Amino acid sequence: KNQVEQSPQSLIILEGKNCTLQCNYTVSPFSNLRWYKQDTGRGPVSLTIMTFSENTKSNGRYTATLDADTKQSSLHITASQLSDSASYICVVSRGQGGYNKLIFGAGTRLAVHP
Amino acid sequence: SQTIHQWPATLVQPVGSPLSLECTVEGTSNPNLYWYRQAAGRGLQLLFYSVGIGQISSEVPQNLSASRPQDRQFILSSKKLLLSDSGFYLCAWSVPWRELSPLHFGNGTRLTVT
Repeated sequence: KNQVEQSPQSLIILEGKNCTLQCNYTVSPFSNLRWYKQDTGRGPVSLTIMTFSENTKSNGRYTATLDADTKQSSLHITASQLSDSASYICVVSRGQGGYNKLIFGAGTRLAVHP
Repeated sequence: SQTIHQWPATLVQPVGSPLSLECTVEGTSNPNLYWYRQAAGRGLQLLFYSVGIGQISSEVPQNLSASRPQDRQFILSSKKLLLSDSGFYLCAWSVPWRELSPLHFGNGTRLTVT
């Protein structure tokens, strides 16, 4: 079964600290993996998209890694800011199928406290 | 630049009443359009997608329907709402025929059916 599991479900950190969010998937065949940031009450915004051949990709203070062998990805946030408080969603795209080939994780809810 | 508008932001409707949610995209032509529903603690669920005017594909049998009367307009409807239709509805667009095109989401509609 094609699934995307994220951990932890929620996380609280202090401003300025780093954190790492995890994503494990069983989607096959694999095409690409995406991370989105979703502020409360808003739509998700794309952070990164990685293909099979990419191990790491950065977007400012956000760095995503991908291990296609173990089917794991992580999102590392450096020097967290209050504005990083949001849900972070991992999405895996299957290599075949129609437009329903994006499998969404349930997200990790991050709270950054001052 | 491209923008996506979705309205209303919140909606409270009684059971059995009709529904119409609208989404429009600006700054791009012939986008792929999507309706997603987001339930608390679960990943986004694709409801409908469209690759062109009048072309609608449904992913999940349900009480809802979608229409695309114009190239950049996507409408989600129901004739009679059910309690189970409550949720956060997101419209999105992507560039057609580009495997790595990210989804660009609107800010969603919070629907509460009472």
